[in-house]
Amino acid sequence: NAGVMQNPRHLVRRRGQEARLRCSPMKGHSHVYWYRQLPEEGLKFMVYLQKENIIDESGMPKERFSAEFPKEGPSILRIQQVVRGDSAAYFCASSPHSEQYFGPGTRLTVT
Amino acid sequence: GQQLNQSPQSMFIQEGEDVSMNCTSSSIFNTWLWYKQDPGEGPVLLIALYKAGELTSNGRLTAQFGITRKDSFLNISASIPSDVGIYFCAGQLGSGGSNYKLTFGKGTLLTVNP
Repeated sequence: NAGVMQNPRHLVRRRGQEARLRCSPMKGHSHVYWYRQLPEEGLKFMVYLQKENIIDESGMPKERFSAEFPKEGPSILRIQQVVRGDSAAYFCASSPHSEQYFGPGTRLTVT
Repeated sequence: GQQLNQSPQSMFIQEGEDVSMNCTSSSIFNTWLWYKQDPGEGPVLLIALYKAGELTSNGRLTAQFGITRKDSFLNISASIPSDVGIYFCAGQLGSGGSNYKLTFGKGTLLTVNP
């Protein structure tokens, strides 16, 4: 049973470009979470999705950030018009219920 | 919002020593989880605790869910070099909807000298 998959592992974008981060949950998991980690910090919750529904987006910035988990395909975290402060590691986790299993993350660098 | 205080921030120990780290919260959680993160990787779940007072082991790791539901500790016995990494505690309210999101501590960086 493959673990949580994320791609790309590393992403470099110039200021003003768009970043798209993908997450494929573990087989059988219908809950997906996105977290952001700044250097030497813990992970901070951004958004919680189930298939085709956003359950909680209280941790996501109101502008430029959006997330989806369509009926088919991976969950996508989209950051429009990236700024230097968006540079961070973005982790996706999936769960069947309460325990969350994390992917390897996408390291976004904005130049 | 809820905050987790994790201590110590870092530890330097000799191989074979035992180590203990803990997390305290300003409010209660119904689930405590402990993760380990290696450089450049995602957090890996070590132990999950679901009940106040619960003591759970996973090999050389032992974790407890505090009676007040506001704290948890993790012990590692007989440390080995591959224990090196950052250990995070995380709390979860549980019971549906947005309560499944995790609140993380800032981590404990463990260095083991062979």
